[in-house]
Amino acid sequence: GAGVSQSPRYKVAKRGQDVALRCDPISGHVSLFWYQQALGQGPEFLTYFQNEAQLDKSGLPSDRFFAERPEGSVSTLKIQRTQQEDSAVYLCASSVTGGPYYGYTFGSGTRLTVV
Amino acid sequence: GENVEQHPSTLSVQEGDSAVIKCTYSDSASNYFPWYKQELGKGPQLIIDIRSNVGEKKDQRIAVTLNKTAKHFSLHITETQPEDSAVYFCAASRGNNRLAFGKGNQVVVIP
Repeated sequence: GAGVSQSPRYKVAKRGQDVALRCDPISGHVSLFWYQQALGQGPEFLTYFQNEAQLDKSGLPSDRFFAERPEGSVSTLKIQRTQQEDSAVYLCASSVTGGPYYGYTFGSGTRLTVV
Repeated sequence: GENVEQHPSTLSVQEGDSAVIKCTYSDSASNYFPWYKQELGKGPQLIIDIRSNVGEKKDQRIAVTLNKTAKHFSLHITETQPEDSAVYFCAASRGNNRLAFGKGNQVVVIP
């Protein structure tokens, strides 16, 4: 597609529920990134993939967060046993290759609200 | 890790005037400094970036300046228009695979 597509756009989860957020990067983009953006804050790095390999997951806040990109294209961010502090916008970005030097394209994000 | 701070948090300007947003960073190893514009309900969009071997870069009405010694960089928007109203984020990277973002500046252009 023309841009990075994320679904769903909005998700409301009850505390303790598991959620899965999907990211469709730009076709042919090798690198994929997940960021978390709390209300009124800048995005915070979560994890990075190059093709199907997860090269950096140091930003994941706890072991309840898990990301995968099994075929090197679509990625899923899974959050288990959601907590209220997980409420945020989850942004996915992709780039042709490498890190931010080559220009990220961000999706519109998934707004997760945990009630 | 890298710490990026932006000032001021909110900036109101009259249409046609200039706007300047400043950012400071803490990691002297950072070598890439992009600016992103985020409109309501959308993801951040890259508007201009600069690398550490350059002091200034310009693209039409926007420019970025970098002072490596003082560890700060600034976004300059000239001849502001209502469509420039948005939240602007600065960020820094040391060439690894992540960006460290500031908290954002709300720019309001008053017609």
